[in-house]
Amino acid sequence: EVQLLESGGGLVQPGGSLRLSCAASGFSFSDYAMSWVRQAPGKGLEWVSGFSGSGATIYADSVKGRFTISRDNSKNTLYLQMDSLSADDTAVYYCAKALSVLTVPFDYWGQGTLVSVSS
Amino acid sequence: DIQMTQSPSSLSASVGDRVTLTCRASQSINIYFNWYQQKPGKAPNLLIHGASNLHSGVPSRFSGSGFGTNFTLTINSLQPEDFATYYCQQSYRVPFTFGPGTKVHIK
Repeated sequence: EVQLLESGGGLVQPGGSLRLSCAASGFSFSDYAMSWVRQAPGKGLEWVSGFSGSGATIYADSVKGRFTISRDNSKNTLYLQMDSLSADDTAVYYCAKALSVLTVPFDYWGQGTLVSVSS
Repeated sequence: DIQMTQSPSSLSASVGDRVTLTCRASQSINIYFNWYQQKPGKAPNLLIHGASNLHSGVPSRFSGSGFGTNFTLTINSLQPEDFATYYCQQSYRVPFTFGPGTKVHIK
């Protein structure tokens, strides 16, 4: 059974940093593209960052230069380092597995971890 | 960025109804298009990928169609568990934008 378990969310002050983790199990992690998708309270979905089919890292403009996605295939874990956080980054952050080697669509999602940016 | 718009933003329907949701892309995206269902407090679930391919395990009452800029999701014989918010997404170009969602309410 595919499982994605996010952790690392919490309350952080504006300008602060946070590192999210997503522990994956139940599939060959290294064979699939992975992404982070966020959802602000009461709002829609926003793709944040992911790995392309070639393994390159890709980002939404809203987080480019501030967020860094990475993965450790030996630990079956996806990460999102988030720096220079602002209130606009407050959201539930989901880790999502791609259906194939391509970045999207996403066939499995974690339960999400809440990031709150506030003073 | 490719903008995705959905209509209606919400609709009320009854169990057993046939409902059609639409999504439009701001430019042609071929069939690089997906539909997701999200229930309150839960992560989204993939319903349709490649515009018309039913994802594994999704009931056959869901179907998708479209090409280019206009896409539809049809739910035949709406069931109680189908009341949710539906999001479309383009997978043609980075950033992989979602539509704002259509919320399906119980009438």
